[in-house]
Amino acid sequence: DVQMTQSPSSLSASVGDRVTITCRASQGIRNNLSWYQQKPGKAPKRLIYTASNLQSGVPSRFSGSGSGTEFTLTISSLQPEDFATYYCLQHNSYPLTFGGGTKVGVK
Amino acid sequence: QVQLQESGPGLVKPSETLSLTCTVSGGSVTYFYWSWIRQSPGKGLEWIGYIYNSAITNYNPSLESRVTISPDTSKNQFSLRLSSVTAADTAVYYCARSVGDYFSFDYWGQGTLVTVSS
Repeated sequence: DVQMTQSPSSLSASVGDRVTITCRASQGIRNNLSWYQQKPGKAPKRLIYTASNLQSGVPSRFSGSGSGTEFTLTISSLQPEDFATYYCLQHNSYPLTFGGGTKVGVK
Repeated sequence: QVQLQESGPGLVKPSETLSLTCTVSGGSVTYFYWSWIRQSPGKGLEWIGYIYNSAITNYNPSLESRVTISPDTSKNQFSLRLSSVTAADTAVYYCARSVGDYFSFDYWGQGTLVTVSS
């Protein structure tokens, strides 16, 4: 199985901050990585697919980059509605596997 | 707009079989890939398996011996059966869609909590 390691596991930030979350794969997964946002009691919501493509309807302050084994999700200017937990998902090989999550909290 | 809705018992006894159904609206279960995913505090998000074209299945090897995903095309539903459950199977179970093999999930159900307890 491909292991997905996210860092940090949690962070504290203020509105307006630039936030960067990293996901590392245990083996190369090309660009087959997506990012999700999850709020308490809700299903994950896709933000980015195939590493850098912004899901329709998602604000442009979200961006993704990377290829191979290292990927980043960046929020350019954190908004109040962005406090949530973020997950990466590799969909390059089966079984599909998720990262452990990064909780973005209020500083 | 595609919508998915999970349904089924919220409480299952140890050693019994967990059964859930996902009802799809706004799209046909005959097309695309339809998965089950679960989320527990201990193991995070875990992909369980998918069904495609109402017949082709692919399961997570960690669960393969206990899992069956099957379609009901007349009702535009697909179902999950997980046998011989233990407390470790307690989780929120989601159904989700992906548009192709090796694609990520674009639509998700709201999730349903299943607790395994006597």
